[in-house]
Amino acid sequence: GAVVSQHPSWVICKSGTSVKIECRSLDFQATTMFWYRQFPKQSLMLMATSNEGSKATYEQGVEKDKFLINHASLTLSTLTVTSAHPEDSSFYICSARDTRGPAGYTFGSGTRLTVV
Amino acid sequence: QQPVQSPQAVILREGEDAVINCSSSKALYSVHWYRQKHGEAPVFLMILLKGGEQKGHEKISASFNEKKQQSSLYLTASQLSYSGTYFCGTGGGSQGNLIFGKGTKLSVKP
Repeated sequence: GAVVSQHPSWVICKSGTSVKIECRSLDFQATTMFWYRQFPKQSLMLMATSNEGSKATYEQGVEKDKFLINHASLTLSTLTVTSAHPEDSSFYICSARDTRGPAGYTFGSGTRLTVV
Repeated sequence: QQPVQSPQAVILREGEDAVINCSSSKALYSVHWYRQKHGEAPVFLMILLKGGEQKGHEKISASFNEKKQQSSLYLTASQLSYSGTYFCGTGGGSQGNLIFGKGTKLSVKP
């Protein structure tokens, strides 16, 4: 089945630094990838939609200058959290559309970001 | 529009059954069910596309009502491994994304 690889699984960074999270579709091409954020005991909330070769679409309330998304190829999307602050600490999950499979959406394993 | 899940939480003894509901005020394109364990990504369980559809795998099944406004997930003879938070996701987000309900936390005790 479709596999989405997400790295790193966890990261601890200092306040003010930037962190990059990668999401790769391993056995299919993903023209669209979705980035979700999940706070403890809450649902997954869509942050932005990443489209290969074009600018990402951000959900209302998500700062595009803070959460930089790059989708330079059909198999790789990256999310960079710039000037991270403790309130950015969260679980970030990417998802890619794979229309070949029954679910259509495959999730990465998630990245636990802790900003200290 | 975010679907509404109920109950918010349920505690079961091993071997008991549970039902989790997912509803919307308007017809849904599709319903996707996921289970998420703490600190892990959601794991796909099943998808329902057609009104009146029912499907299952082993002791977990789901239905989608005729009007496509409600789906239920049935867990039969629950096992310890069923513990986790169950989310329903509906298709048709403005970006083609899934919109998730708030989740139902299921705890299965020995």
